[in-house]
Amino acid sequence: GAGVSQSPSNKVTEKGKDVELRCDPISGHTALYWYRQSLGQGLEFLIYFQGNSAPDKSGLPSDRFSAERTGESVSTLTIQRTQQEDSAVYLCASSLEGPSGYNEQFFGPGTRLTVL
Amino acid sequence: SQKIEQNSEALNIQEGKTATLTCNYTNYSPAYLQWYRQDPGRGPVFLLLIRENEKEKRKERLKVTFDTTLKQSLFHITASQPADSATYLCALRMDSSYKLIFGSGTRLLVRP
Repeated sequence: GAGVSQSPSNKVTEKGKDVELRCDPISGHTALYWYRQSLGQGLEFLIYFQGNSAPDKSGLPSDRFSAERTGESVSTLTIQRTQQEDSAVYLCASSLEGPSGYNEQFFGPGTRLTVL
Repeated sequence: SQKIEQNSEALNIQEGKTATLTCNYTNYSPAYLQWYRQDPGRGPVFLLLIRENEKEKRKERLKVTFDTTLKQSLFHITASQPADSATYLCALRMDSSYKLIFGSGTRLLVRP
């Protein structure tokens, strides 16, 4: 079956521009997560969705970052007025269950964002 | 402060040997600890999960131990193969939360 997909795979943008990153989770997965990975670093949690709601947005680095999810499916992460420090790989993951219990997360391949 | 530490130096071993990777944490009380494999240009792939009340978990050539007193998990790959070369990430999850808190990973290189 299809895994988690993300688009675009690579995005190069100029400082100050807005970007939208897309995530298509595994069908039926109620939980969806966004992480950010800078070069040589571990994954940094950004936001979690349960259904279309985001109970925890505390990982978003600033108010330039926002995310939404519709139809308990596709999610978009939007970064406004991009800065060079936003350059990283943005990873999306989905899982079958909600916050309690065992939750193996299935990751997409990521979007590599480069802000010039 | 809260920290998850994995050896930042790459682990370089000969094929057939056992690889042992370490994950140490401070000021966390995780309910679960997970290990993921990440290849270059790809997202992490789940390998094993161990719960706080479990000491050891095995899956094929993989073994994970979890010592909540030492606040440490060890990840072993026996009879290592060049195909095992990758970065291995440990991740904690608290009982009251849903997000994973990742270490920065250790790169493993298995020489043929």
